[in-house]
Amino acid sequence: AAGVIQSPRHLIKEKRETATLKCYPIPRHDTVYWYQQGPGQDPQFLISFYEKMQSDKGSIPDRFSAQQFSDYHSELNMSSLELGDSALYFCASSLYTEAFFGQGTRLTVV
Amino acid sequence: KNEVEQSPQNLTAQEGEFITINCSYSVGISALHWLQQHPGGGIVSLFMLSSGKKKHGRLIATINIQEKHSSLHITASHPRDSAVYICAVQETSGSRLTFGEGTQLTVNP
Repeated sequence: AAGVIQSPRHLIKEKRETATLKCYPIPRHDTVYWYQQGPGQDPQFLISFYEKMQSDKGSIPDRFSAQQFSDYHSELNMSSLELGDSALYFCASSLYTEAFFGQGTRLTVV
Repeated sequence: KNEVEQSPQNLTAQEGEFITINCSYSVGISALHWLQQHPGGGIVSLFMLSSGKKKHGRLIATINIQEKHSSLHITASHPRDSAVYICAVQETSGSRLTFGEGTQLTVNP
């Protein structure tokens, strides 16, 4: 069965660069969530989309933006990267309540 | 105080032992998830519960809505069960998940 696909799996960027993370939800899922998990930390909610509209917003920095496209995939855009942005970013998709998770993108900012 | 608290934070067991991980929460929820995270970060959804009990193979999850408590049990534990187990709740006020801090389980052969 198709799962939630994230790309890239690993990404290394320098400070002040930009990064774009992509999330492809399970087919027919209409909701996408983005989470950030720092080293040794529990995941923190960033933002979610339902039917291509932002549905909830968490602790997402102003330097980050995200959107959900007509095919329901979502992209997280991160600008002016800082060392503290190094983390695992994973997305989840759902239809109704049960959420399914991607493998995550590990971003390292050097 | 965190909205979702897990215990223990770390657990070491011998192969074959029965394992219990507990989760308590303080908010109203529509669902509770038990997740497994392996080194490297990938997260696997084990169970989603809104009431009662679910079983899948050697894994059993229970929830008591009145007491705001859930448990994850692993019977006949195996070294491949070694992972971080995370409890996450979906609040009734929204759809986002709030995560516990996770329980690092190590099962020794």
